[in-house]
Amino acid sequence: QITLKESGPTLVKPTQTLTLTCTFSGFSLSTSGVGVGWIRQPPGKALEWLALIYWNDDKRYSPSLKSRLTITKDTSKNQVVLTMTNMDPVDTATYYCARQHRGLFDPWGQGTLVTVSS
Amino acid sequence: QSALTQPASVSGSPGQSITISCTGTSSDVGGYNYVSWYQQHPGKAPKLMIYDVSKRPSGVSNRFSGSKSGNTASLTISGLQAEDEADYYCSSYTSSSTWVFGGGTKLTVL
Repeated sequence: QITLKESGPTLVKPTQTLTLTCTFSGFSLSTSGVGVGWIRQPPGKALEWLALIYWNDDKRYSPSLKSRLTITKDTSKNQVVLTMTNMDPVDTATYYCARQHRGLFDPWGQGTLVTVSS
Repeated sequence: QSALTQPASVSGSPGQSITISCTGTSSDVGGYNYVSWYQQHPGKAPKLMIYDVSKRPSGVSNRFSGSKSGNTASLTISGLQAEDEADYYCSSYTSSSTWVFGGGTKLTVL
């Protein structure tokens, strides 16, 4: 059974850096073709793809957020970490991680709500 | 990259069929078969319903089907049931080797 779970702060202040961790089980990020992605969803709004890291450490970022995002992996710990700098209230959202394989995101973690407020 | 275009809402009565469109460009939907659809109930994480344009994961009802024509992909749900009421999102791979989601469609079962 494949599971993913997001963890990190629930509240960050404007201009701070957000660090989120995705801890997964049931698959290995050293398997060819596998990746882990981050997707966010502001309250009442649509999903927005943020970043993806592949088994070979290839990294992809949303063009609109690329300057603020960094994605890394620790294969031995089965974790993927996303950092987002210079947080703003508009970044308030539920942040999801999901396994990416052969063009699809499945399964997804339960998501973690991050609020940006002073 | 711009979000894929979906209708904000669709509705149908139990037993009917509905179709949700997802319009992109030749740089995403039209250029690749990595189009997938996700169902999201309130307060829940998205669930994969269709991948590779028209393939169904194990466990997903065959009432759900997908197709693509040019730059537009479509999700069809036949024999609508109350539990199908949810938000639906499409997603596509892009020519920039990134991913893009649609704006989402709220399905109401009347």
